[in-house]
Amino acid sequence: ETGVTQSPTHLIKTRGQQVTLRCSSQSGHNTVSWYQQALGQGPQFIFQYYREEENGRGNFPPRFSGLQFPNYSSELNVNALELDDSALYLCASRDTTGSYEQYFGPGTRLTVT
Amino acid sequence: KNEVEQSPQNLTAQEGEFITINCSYSVGISALHWLQQHPGGGIVSLFMLSSGKKKHGRLIATINIQEKHSSLHITASHPRDSAVYICAFQTSGSRLTFGEGTQLTVNP
Repeated sequence: ETGVTQSPTHLIKTRGQQVTLRCSSQSGHNTVSWYQQALGQGPQFIFQYYREEENGRGNFPPRFSGLQFPNYSSELNVNALELDDSALYLCASRDTTGSYEQYFGPGTRLTVT
Repeated sequence: KNEVEQSPQNLTAQEGEFITINCSYSVGISALHWLQQHPGGGIVSLFMLSSGKKKHGRLIATINIQEKHSSLHITASHPRDSAVYICAFQTSGSRLTFGEGTQLTVNP
């Protein structure tokens, strides 16, 4: 049990739609990172938020956006869904005043049809 | 060439065998993580190390910073160890760069 939760667990959307995925971090974890994991591959970094501001982004288009809230929750929003967006989406949080250890949520499985 | 390479990609072992999974990376890092992922997706952090060796139960992780190489060892493997094992490095901030993972199957 990592103390990081994600919702929903599974989601099916249609191409062109928009989706919001949620992550709730441990109290005190001021940094959250989001990753996309396609089937059979390692996770790919989407972006990172620190104290409610984006402070790092991977090679993902602007239709991937996020928010981080003061209550240690965060969101990943994806607009204009494409079939290739089908993947497991993981969030990971850490307290930057502590060690480098990161705590992963269980993931949201998104299927785009 | 990927920044982090794992080997082997797939590994099948008999219960009780000693298992080694290797990870090589190409950049200077602040920390190296070993993670376990079971079917269904959830990722569990096994180790985070920046030098030397760490041990937890039957799991041992080592890292050689000069050679940019890390290994994960499992002693007395058990079918419940069957999972995907992933190494990931961290350079600055919280961003992790992951390997492709090693699918381990331990047969009874």
